[in-house]
Amino acid sequence: SAVISQKPSRDICQRGTSLTIQCQVDSQVTMMFWYRQQPGQSLTLIATANQGSEATYESGFVIDKFPISRPNLTFSTLTVSNMSPEDSSIYLCSVVLPGRAQYFGPGTRLLVL
Amino acid sequence: KQEVTQIPAALSVPEGENLVLNCSFTDSAIYNLQWFRQDPGKGLTSLLLIQSSQREQTSGRLNASLDKSSGRSTLYIAASQPGDSATYLCAVDMNRDDKIIFGKGTRLHILP
Repeated sequence: SAVISQKPSRDICQRGTSLTIQCQVDSQVTMMFWYRQQPGQSLTLIATANQGSEATYESGFVIDKFPISRPNLTFSTLTVSNMSPEDSSIYLCSVVLPGRAQYFGPGTRLLVL
Repeated sequence: KQEVTQIPAALSVPEGENLVLNCSFTDSAIYNLQWFRQDPGKGLTSLLLIQSSQREQTSGRLNASLDKSSGRSTLYIAASQPGDSATYLCAVDMNRDDKIIFGKGTRLHILP
């Protein structure tokens, strides 16, 4: 398994501001993902964080709104830019380990006022 | 396009009962299937991973089965406890870009 930490665990932000979420893994992993879970909903994949290259975004998500960094094989950040109340969600990072099991971080709970 | 369905959406049972959660998928060409648990406002905890060549996996009071040809998986929880109350999600891996596809989950409440 993998130990994954996220910072912050929760935050309350004002409309129009930006928040950067950090994801740290205790081992080197090739594949890292960022998900969003809106209230009462299942998980939606935002993007795949690629080490050394630009992230790959899913339909409906764009780099200007959700810029992602992946400076090395153990760390990634997701920024939620120019926030609105509709961005209030839990944001989760995940990794894929050998055997293709996915493991998730504890999540960042974001409330935008 | 793969679709994953979980029935029921919510379930309440008295403590001590055995129960079964269901997961179905439309495309049987999966690589593996994973069951997760999510507590309110928290991240996902991996419970069991079943490879496509396997029929079941067990961990403690949990047993997950997989019938790939019929597109079904079940999660069996024995002797349920109030601490089992959570949302249970299944997800399938189609072996494409390491992405997994989630069901919407079953919200389980164990009554003390």
